[in-house]
This record gives sequence, structure tokens and C-alpha cells, in this order.
Amino acid sequence: KNEVEQSPQNLTAQEGEFITINCSYSVGISALHWLQQHPGGGIVSLFMLSSGKKKHGRLIATINIQEKHSSLHITASHPRDSAVYICAGPYYGGSQGNLIFGKGTKLSVKP
Amino acid sequence: KAGVTQTPRYLIKTRGQQVTLSCSPISGHRSVSWYQQTPGQGLQFLFEYFSETQRNKGNFPGRFSGRQFSNSRSEMNVSTLELGDSALYLCASSRTTQGSEGYTFGSGTRLTVV
Repeated sequence: KNEVEQSPQNLTAQEGEFITINCSYSVGISALHWLQQHPGGGIVSLFMLSSGKKKHGRLIATINIQEKHSSLHITASHPRDSAVYICAGPYYGGSQGNLIFGKGTKLSVKP
Repeated sequence: KAGVTQTPRYLIKTRGQQVTLSCSPISGHRSVSWYQQTPGQGLQFLFEYFSETQRNKGNFPGRFSGRQFSNSRSEMNVSTLELGDSALYLCASSRTTQGSEGYTFGSGTRLTVV
């Protein structure tokens, strides 16, 4: 069982729709990262949060540390939001290194 | 402000060869982490360097190694390449170890082993 689980794996939306991607983790982490990866491969860090909510433009990320759950919301989605969204948590110690990643959610926004 | 620069962007190698990839972090960032991304396994941590010292290592064979120079630039080396080493290799830099202030990722090096 992956220690960081994302849902859904794939998501298709119409332009303008409100989108939610969920991330649950079983390891004890102090903060969670949301990353965006476009088809070219490069990764952009969207948010790092350890409590509450953060907002950047049309993107909102929330986290509940006690419930070990985070969500990424996209309001008024646009085709340029089409990408893979990955959540990751820092993991201290062991061989898993400094970040454990979810498998990603592939989002496709149709015009 | 320049981002994280990875070179080369694309590489094709033959089984059994070795390869060296380079990562130049953002100025002032002393930590460089390396990750492997494959369709089957997703993103996996390789190692992290901070101030020229390896701080953490993932679950990869000894064929995967790295180093960091005094200017914080880092290289990773894979010896005796196998077909399964074909992947996108990403590096990320941060000001502090363990990324407590977040990470900035490079665009990656796509390695194909034939």
C-alpha cells in the first residue's frame, strides 16, 4: 500500500468546472507539497502547507493534519490547467528519502 | 533569478555504458535532491546532498551515485546502464536540507537506454 494515496487517478472536466483532487497519507508528515507536472516533464511546486488553507490565483490547497488528508481545488478550470498533479510529503529517515510521492492525478480540461 | 538547470535534456545510451547528469541549483540553495520518474514506479527519491555531503539515500543499487561541488552544483552518475534505468531524472534544490522551505525543480533529463 502506497503511503501517499491520491484520487482520482484520472479526471476529465469541462472548462469552467470546479475541480477537487484528494490526497491521503499514512505516514507522519509535518507538511505536504502539491506539485504540477506538464507533459514536457518539468515539475512546478504549487504549495507547501502544514495547516489550514493556502490560495494562489484559482488554486486552493487545504490540509487536515489530524485526519492526514489534503485537497487541491481548482476554480474556473481552464485547458491550460491540464497536467498531472502530484502530492508529496517529507519523510524523515529510512530509505524512502526526503519526499514520498503519490502516483499523481492526470487532469484534462476540455474547452 | 535563474531556475534549476539540468543538463543534458535528453540522452540516449547503450546498455552497459555509464552516464553523468548535471544539476545547477538556484543561487543560494545548498541542497540538491535527485529523483527518478518512471511510468511504473512514479517518482522515487534517489539521494540528497547538502553542503557537499550526502544527507539521505533512497533504495537504489550502488550503480547510482552522486556528488556535490563547493558551488552546490551536483552530478549523478549511473554505471553499467540497464534498460530499466530509462526514466526522467529530476533534481530539485532548496535552501535548507529536508526542504523545509520548499523545493524548486528542474526540467529533468530524459534518459533512454537501448
